[in-house]
Amino acid sequence: DAKTTQPPSMDCAEGRAANLPCNHSTISGNEYVYWYRQIHSQGPQYIIHGLKNNETNEMASLIITEDRKSSTLILPHATLRDTAVYYCIVRVPGGYQKVTFGTGTKLQVIP
Amino acid sequence: DTEVTQTPKHLVMGMTNKKSLKCEQHMGHRAMYWYKQKAKKPPELMFVYSYEKLSINESVPSRFSPECPNSSLLNLHLHALQPEDSALYLCASSQPASGSYEQYFGPGTRLTVT
Repeated sequence: DAKTTQPPSMDCAEGRAANLPCNHSTISGNEYVYWYRQIHSQGPQYIIHGLKNNETNEMASLIITEDRKSSTLILPHATLRDTAVYYCIVRVPGGYQKVTFGTGTKLQVIP
Repeated sequence: DTEVTQTPKHLVMGMTNKKSLKCEQHMGHRAMYWYKQKAKKPPELMFVYSYEKLSINESVPSRFSPECPNSSLLNLHLHALQPEDSALYLCASSQPASGSYEQYFGPGTRLTVT
Protein backbone atom coordinates (compact mmCIF):
# COMPACT_ATOMS: atom_id res chain seq x y z
CA ASP A 1 0.00 0.00 0.00
CA ALA A 2 1.10 3.52 -0.66
CA LYS A 3 2.12 5.41 2.47
CA THR A 4 0.20 8.52 3.50
CA THR A 5 1.36 11.53 5.48
CA GLN A 6 -1.02 13.77 7.40
CA PRO A 7 -0.48 16.63 9.87
CA PRO A 8 -1.01 15.38 13.42
CA SER A 9 -3.50 18.07 14.37
CA MET A 10 -5.52 21.01 13.05
CA ASP A 11 -7.97 23.53 14.44
CA CYS A 12 -10.97 24.95 12.63
CA ALA A 13 -13.52 27.56 13.69
CA GLU A 14 -17.10 26.37 13.82
CA GLY A 15 -18.96 27.23 10.62
CA ARG A 16 -15.81 27.59 8.58
CA ALA A 17 -14.48 25.12 6.03
CA ALA A 18 -12.04 22.52 7.33
CA ASN A 19 -9.38 21.54 4.80
CA LEU A 20 -7.48 18.40 5.74
CA PRO A 21 -4.44 17.56 3.58
CA CYS A 22 -2.97 14.17 2.82
CA ASN A 23 0.24 13.39 0.98
CA HIS A 24 0.46 10.10 -0.92
CA SER A 25 3.36 10.65 -3.30
CA THR A 26 3.92 6.91 -3.95
CA ILE A 27 0.33 6.18 -4.99
CA SER A 28 0.03 3.81 -7.92
CA GLY A 29 -2.35 4.13 -10.85
CA ASN A 30 -5.05 1.79 -9.59
CA GLU A 31 -5.12 2.95 -5.98
CA TYR A 32 -7.98 5.02 -4.65
CA VAL A 33 -7.87 7.57 -1.86
CA TYR A 34 -10.27 6.87 1.01
CA TRP A 35 -11.10 8.99 4.01
CA TYR A 36 -12.45 7.78 7.33
CA ARG A 37 -12.96 9.57 10.60
CA GLN A 38 -13.16 8.39 14.17
CA ILE A 39 -15.05 10.38 16.72
CA HIS A 40 -13.79 9.82 20.24
CA SER A 41 -14.43 6.28 21.52
CA GLN A 42 -16.50 5.31 18.47
CA GLY A 43 -15.73 3.09 15.50
CA PRO A 44 -14.26 4.68 12.37
CA GLN A 45 -16.77 6.01 9.85
CA TYR A 46 -16.34 6.02 6.09
CA ILE A 47 -16.53 9.52 4.58
CA ILE A 48 -15.61 9.51 0.89
CA HIS A 49 -13.27 8.04 -1.70
CA GLY A 50 -11.96 8.91 -5.15
CA LEU A 51 -9.53 7.93 -7.89
CA LYS A 52 -8.60 11.11 -9.73
CA ASN A 53 -11.68 13.25 -10.15
CA ASN A 54 -12.98 15.47 -7.42
CA GLU A 55 -15.79 13.88 -5.44
CA THR A 56 -18.56 15.30 -3.29
CA ASN A 57 -21.17 13.71 -1.09
CA GLU A 58 -23.41 14.87 1.72
CA MET A 59 -20.57 14.78 4.22
CA ALA A 60 -17.57 16.21 2.41
CA SER A 61 -15.66 16.97 -0.76
CA LEU A 62 -12.46 15.32 -1.89
CA ILE A 63 -10.00 17.20 -4.07
CA ILE A 64 -7.21 15.12 -5.65
CA THR A 65 -4.34 16.88 -7.38
CA GLU A 66 -3.77 16.19 -11.05
CA ASP A 67 -0.60 14.18 -10.34
CA ARG A 68 -2.53 12.31 -7.61
CA LYS A 69 0.30 12.76 -5.14
CA SER A 70 -1.84 14.60 -2.64
CA SER A 71 -5.46 15.23 -1.75
CA THR A 72 -7.57 17.44 0.48
CA LEU A 73 -10.71 16.53 2.37
CA ILE A 74 -13.03 19.50 2.75
CA LEU A 75 -15.75 19.76 5.36
CA PRO A 76 -17.60 22.82 4.03
CA HIS A 77 -19.15 24.07 7.29
CA ALA A 78 -17.48 22.42 10.24
CA THR A 79 -19.54 21.79 13.36
CA LEU A 80 -18.49 20.72 16.83
CA ARG A 81 -19.62 17.19 15.93
CA ASP A 82 -16.91 17.07 13.26
CA THR A 83 -14.22 17.01 15.96
CA ALA A 84 -12.52 13.68 15.29
CA VAL A 85 -9.40 11.95 14.01
CA TYR A 86 -9.43 11.86 10.20
CA TYR A 87 -7.60 9.06 8.41
CA CYS A 88 -6.48 9.13 4.79
CA ILE A 89 -5.97 5.64 3.33
CA VAL A 90 -4.76 4.58 -0.11
CA ARG A 91 -5.97 1.21 -1.40
CA VAL A 92 -6.96 -0.79 -4.41
CA PRO A 93 -10.74 -1.26 -4.12
CA GLY A 94 -12.64 -4.51 -4.01
CA GLY A 95 -12.05 -7.84 -2.36
CA TYR A 96 -11.50 -8.16 1.34
CA GLN A 97 -9.15 -5.55 2.48
CA LYS A 98 -6.13 -5.35 4.69
CA VAL A 99 -6.45 -1.74 5.76
CA THR A 100 -3.52 0.07 7.26
CA PHE A 101 -4.53 3.16 9.15
CA GLY A 102 -1.92 5.89 9.43
CA THR A 103 -1.70 8.18 12.42
CA GLY A 104 -4.36 10.54 11.04
CA THR A 105 -5.14 14.19 11.74
CA LYS A 106 -6.90 15.21 14.95
CA LEU A 107 -9.32 17.96 13.91
CA GLN A 108 -10.54 20.19 16.71
CA VAL A 109 -13.52 22.38 15.81
CA ILE A 110 -13.55 25.45 18.02
CA PRO A 111 -16.76 27.30 18.96
CA ASP B 1 -29.66 -1.08 7.87
CA THR B 2 -25.98 -0.06 7.83
CA GLU B 3 -25.28 -1.01 11.40
CA VAL B 4 -22.66 -3.25 12.90
CA THR B 5 -23.42 -4.14 16.50
CA GLN B 6 -20.94 -5.30 19.10
CA THR B 7 -21.51 -6.78 22.53
CA PRO B 8 -20.62 -6.20 25.24
CA LYS B 9 -19.75 -2.49 25.20
CA HIS B 10 -17.39 -2.91 28.12
CA LEU B 11 -15.67 -5.99 29.51
CA VAL B 12 -13.39 -6.43 32.50
CA MET B 13 -11.71 -9.80 32.81
CA GLY B 14 -8.97 -11.42 34.78
CA MET B 15 -5.97 -13.08 33.22
CA THR B 16 -7.36 -16.55 33.85
CA ASN B 17 -10.85 -15.89 32.49
CA LYS B 18 -12.37 -16.98 29.22
CA LYS B 19 -14.68 -14.53 27.52
CA SER B 20 -16.05 -13.81 24.06
CA LEU B 21 -16.74 -10.68 22.05
CA LYS B 22 -19.61 -10.73 19.60
CA CYS B 23 -20.19 -8.81 16.38
CA GLU B 24 -23.25 -8.89 14.14
CA GLN B 25 -24.25 -7.29 10.85
CA HIS B 26 -27.29 -7.70 8.61
CA MET B 27 -26.07 -5.86 5.53
CA GLY B 28 -25.31 -9.06 3.64
CA HIS B 29 -21.60 -8.35 3.81
CA ARG B 30 -19.38 -11.38 3.34
CA ALA B 31 -16.14 -9.96 4.74
CA MET B 32 -15.77 -9.30 8.46
CA TYR B 33 -12.83 -7.92 10.38
CA TRP B 34 -11.43 -7.62 13.89
CA TYR B 35 -9.23 -4.65 14.79
CA LYS B 36 -7.45 -3.75 18.00
CA GLN B 37 -6.98 -0.12 18.99
CA LYS B 38 -4.79 1.05 21.83
CA ALA B 39 -5.30 4.51 23.31
CA LYS B 40 -4.25 7.37 21.02
CA LYS B 41 -3.20 4.92 18.29
CA PRO B 42 -4.86 4.00 14.98
CA PRO B 43 -6.77 0.70 14.65
CA GLU B 44 -4.61 -2.31 13.81
CA LEU B 45 -5.99 -5.21 11.81
CA MET B 46 -6.09 -8.58 13.58
CA PHE B 47 -8.20 -10.94 11.46
CA VAL B 48 -10.21 -10.95 8.25
CA TYR B 49 -12.92 -13.46 7.34
CA SER B 50 -14.11 -13.68 3.77
CA TYR B 51 -17.12 -15.88 3.02
CA GLU B 52 -16.83 -17.33 6.53
CA LYS B 53 -13.23 -18.45 5.96
CA LEU B 54 -10.28 -16.97 7.78
CA SER B 55 -8.36 -15.06 5.11
CA ILE B 56 -5.93 -12.90 7.06
CA ASN B 57 -4.35 -13.48 10.47
CA GLU B 58 -1.94 -10.71 11.30
CA SER B 59 0.25 -12.95 13.49
CA VAL B 60 -2.10 -12.51 16.42
CA PRO B 61 -1.26 -14.51 19.60
CA SER B 62 -3.26 -17.71 20.03
CA ARG B 63 -4.94 -16.35 23.17
CA PHE B 64 -7.19 -14.56 20.65
CA SER B 65 -9.33 -17.04 18.73
CA PRO B 66 -11.72 -15.77 16.04
CA GLU B 67 -14.79 -17.59 14.85
CA CYS B 68 -17.28 -16.86 12.07
CA PRO B 69 -20.25 -19.19 12.60
CA ASN B 70 -22.29 -17.68 9.77
CA SER B 71 -22.26 -14.75 7.38
CA SER B 72 -23.79 -12.36 9.92
CA LEU B 73 -21.84 -13.21 13.05
CA LEU B 74 -18.23 -12.84 14.12
CA ASN B 75 -16.88 -13.82 17.49
CA LEU B 76 -13.56 -13.26 19.20
CA HIS B 77 -12.80 -15.75 21.96
CA LEU B 78 -10.41 -14.57 24.62
CA HIS B 79 -8.38 -16.74 26.97
CA ALA B 80 -5.44 -16.10 29.27
CA LEU B 81 -5.09 -12.50 28.22
CA GLN B 82 -2.42 -10.14 29.49
CA PRO B 83 -2.91 -6.62 30.84
CA GLU B 84 -1.31 -5.24 27.66
CA ASP B 85 -4.25 -6.69 25.72
CA SER B 86 -6.47 -4.02 27.23
CA ALA B 87 -7.77 -2.01 24.28
CA LEU B 88 -10.79 -1.12 22.17
CA TYR B 89 -11.72 -4.06 19.94
CA LEU B 90 -13.47 -3.04 16.76
CA CYS B 91 -15.44 -5.18 14.36
CA ALA B 92 -16.08 -4.16 10.76
CA SER B 93 -17.72 -5.58 7.67
CA SER B 94 -17.60 -4.98 3.93
CA GLN B 95 -18.82 -6.50 0.72
CA PRO B 96 -15.85 -8.22 -0.92
CA ALA B 97 -17.46 -8.27 -4.34
CA SER B 98 -18.05 -4.55 -4.30
CA GLY B 99 -16.17 -2.35 -6.71
CA SER B 100 -15.82 0.19 -3.96
CA TYR B 101 -14.33 -0.18 -0.57
CA GLU B 102 -16.27 0.88 2.46
CA GLN B 103 -15.84 -0.83 5.75
CA TYR B 104 -18.62 -0.36 8.25
CA PHE B 105 -17.40 -0.37 11.83
CA GLY B 106 -19.16 -1.21 15.04
CA PRO B 107 -18.83 0.95 18.16
CA GLY B 108 -16.27 -1.40 19.69
CA THR B 109 -15.85 -3.31 22.93
CA ARG B 110 -13.68 -1.65 25.56
CA LEU B 111 -11.68 -4.48 27.14
CA THR B 112 -9.79 -4.18 30.40
CA VAL B 113 -7.62 -7.08 31.55
CA THR B 114 -6.79 -7.06 35.26
